[in-house]
Amino acid sequence: SAVISQKPSRDICQRGTSLTIQCQVDSQVTMMFWYRQQPGQSLTLIATANQGSEATYESGFVIDKFPISRPNLTFSTLTVSNMSPEDSSIYLCSVAGTASSYEQYFGPGTRLTVT
Amino acid sequence: AQSVAQPEDQVNVAEGNPLTVKCTYSVSGNPYLFWYVQYPNRGLQFLLKYITGDNLVKGSYGFEAEFNKSQTSFHLKKPSALVSDSALYFCAVISYNQGGKLIFGQGTELSVKP
Repeated sequence: SAVISQKPSRDICQRGTSLTIQCQVDSQVTMMFWYRQQPGQSLTLIATANQGSEATYESGFVIDKFPISRPNLTFSTLTVSNMSPEDSSIYLCSVAGTASSYEQYFGPGTRLTVT
Repeated sequence: AQSVAQPEDQVNVAEGNPLTVKCTYSVSGNPYLFWYVQYPNRGLQFLLKYITGDNLVKGSYGFEAEFNKSQTSFHLKKPSALVSDSALYFCAVISYNQGGKLIFGQGTELSVKP
């Protein structure tokens, strides 16, 4: 399975500021995803990060709030913009397995606290 | 609508006893089912999956799960629980009628006491 790292692992930010989270994979992958896990909640898909084109956002998530970059097949960033305390969550990136395996593999997550 | 339900927020088991974490699903088409585990302050780890074939699938750390199509269930099991199994467990399903989106259940906190 792919090895996935995220930076930063955690951060405490002031409301109104923005934070960019990096996701690095040790091999080229086609599909990369960004999820949010709010405190005590399950995972919710924010968007699919597409290499060479705009990300595909899920209902309730917009590009202005969560801009995503995917410059190549091993790297992606998620920015949480104009943060409010409601954005306090764990943000996780994941990559899809091979076409025949279907499972996703997750990074360690970024724990964001907005004060 | 595609959905996954984990009816128990928490499961408590004594070490050495068998454990079951329940999951039911509702999808259109053939379900691709997964179990993930999340240890404190760590990301999700893949445990096992059902795509096709034998209804009983074996995964990491001695876990197994049984796919039951008639009951639309995919319960996670382990014959003998360890204290180190204490974690948050998520059931998930992909339905390719929804473009391959991974849908998670709400999670079940497993607590194994010595």
